[in-house]
Amino acid sequence: QVQLVQSGSELKKPGASVKVSCKASGYTFGTYAMNWVRQAPGQGLEWMGWINAYTGHPTYAQGFTGRFVFSLDMSASTAYLQINSLTAEDTAVYYCARDRDGGFDYWGQGTLVTVSS
Amino acid sequence: DIQLTQSPSFLSASVGDRVTITCRASQGIGSYLAWYQQKPGKAPKLLIYVASTLQSGVPSRFSGSGSGTEFTLTISSLQPEDFATYYCRQNTFGQGTKLEIK
Repeated sequence: QVQLVQSGSELKKPGASVKVSCKASGYTFGTYAMNWVRQAPGQGLEWMGWINAYTGHPTYAQGFTGRFVFSLDMSASTAYLQINSLTAEDTAVYYCARDRDGGFDYWGQGTLVTVSS
Repeated sequence: DIQLTQSPSFLSASVGDRVTITCRASQGIGSYLAWYQQKPGKAPKLLIYVASTLQSGVPSRFSGSGSGTEFTLTISSLQPEDFATYYCRQNTFGQGTKLEIK
């Protein structure tokens, strides 16, 4: 069965970096794009962008350029989200989600990133 | 960039009610729209994609319609497990509709 398993919660200080992983199983990794979605505490969903899991080419949504990096380890069927120069405003749950025909049909369980001094 | 506006933002209804949530796009997007359900502390769940296609395993009381700039999600007869927050998405997400028990 298809599963996306994300890395555990992170507590970081302002200015640090964090790298969240999303390990896929149960399907051919390169067949479907992987998306990243942010949800700040008590807020709605924000689409951060996606990465072509075949070519590794990333596309960032408006507001998620510069400090955000999507990458892959195709040999490990794993997608990564790195956030640099963290601020308190980056405190959120981050989800990876597989894209099939415009619908995100499988989601990771979410990774809580807390930024606090 | 395309903006998605959901209405209403909050909806109070009873078990057995028929409810409709609307999502309006700032410009035409064809049929490229999906609907998600999210319960507290959980990842969102795909309900509908390409405007009207029911995701496998989703109960048939959920349906989607629309194209261009106006889309609707309808729940034909609310069940207790349907009280949640609903989002539409075409690249960006709508702001969400919180469905609460009356």
